[in-house]
Amino acid sequence: DTGVSQDPRHKITKRGQNVTFRCDPISEHNRLYWYRQTLGQGPEFLTYFQNEAQLEKSRLLSDRFSAERPKGSFSTLEIQRTEQGDSAMYLCASSKPKNQPQHFGDGTRLSIL
Amino acid sequence: AQKITQTQPGMFVQEKEAVTLDCTYDTSDPSYGLFWYKQPSSGEMIFLIYQGSYDQQNATEGRYSLNFQKARKSANLVISASQLGDSAMYFCAMRGEAYSGAGSYQLTFGKGTKLSVIP
Repeated sequence: DTGVSQDPRHKITKRGQNVTFRCDPISEHNRLYWYRQTLGQGPEFLTYFQNEAQLEKSRLLSDRFSAERPKGSFSTLEIQRTEQGDSAMYLCASSKPKNQPQHFGDGTRLSIL
Repeated sequence: AQKITQTQPGMFVQEKEAVTLDCTYDTSDPSYGLFWYKQPSSGEMIFLIYQGSYDQQNATEGRYSLNFQKARKSANLVISASQLGDSAMYFCAMRGEAYSGAGSYQLTFGKGTKLSVIP
């Protein structure tokens, strides 16, 4: 039973560039979550998928952010026209239905130059 | 709305001693779950323990136990027999569990406590 996998682990880019992150959940998990964690803070919820449907989005998810989960398997999170404030760790988590705990990947650390 | 408060930014504990990490919460959900996660310096969030609001007994998982006091809205983590590998950030989190169907069960996290285990 492999865990949640995220790629890349680190991403350094210039302000204004687009970036895309990938998350592969645990295979039997139908729920997938994206969180953002800035320095010294706990993770903050961004968005949630149940299978391929994106069912909830946080106010933190501006128009520059888009997430997809085609076919209900892996998910991608894209940030367009990156800004300094986007520098953070982006964490993906997955879970079985309802009351099961969420299991997290290692995260993608984004640094904006 | 849900809120998690962790009042200890940092804690020190001697190796092999027990330590308690504090967590208080606030929610309007009648049914909810409380979690503790460990985040080493490498960054991954590791699930440690879960307590449901209607569970009669406090949760335990190996060296971890959750001291759940519902009336006080507290869910403290107790780590027994601390090991050097326990040095990490520890996050308390909660979610509402009154949903049916497509409820997201998103987690709300506290700011964390940095635990340092001293040899």
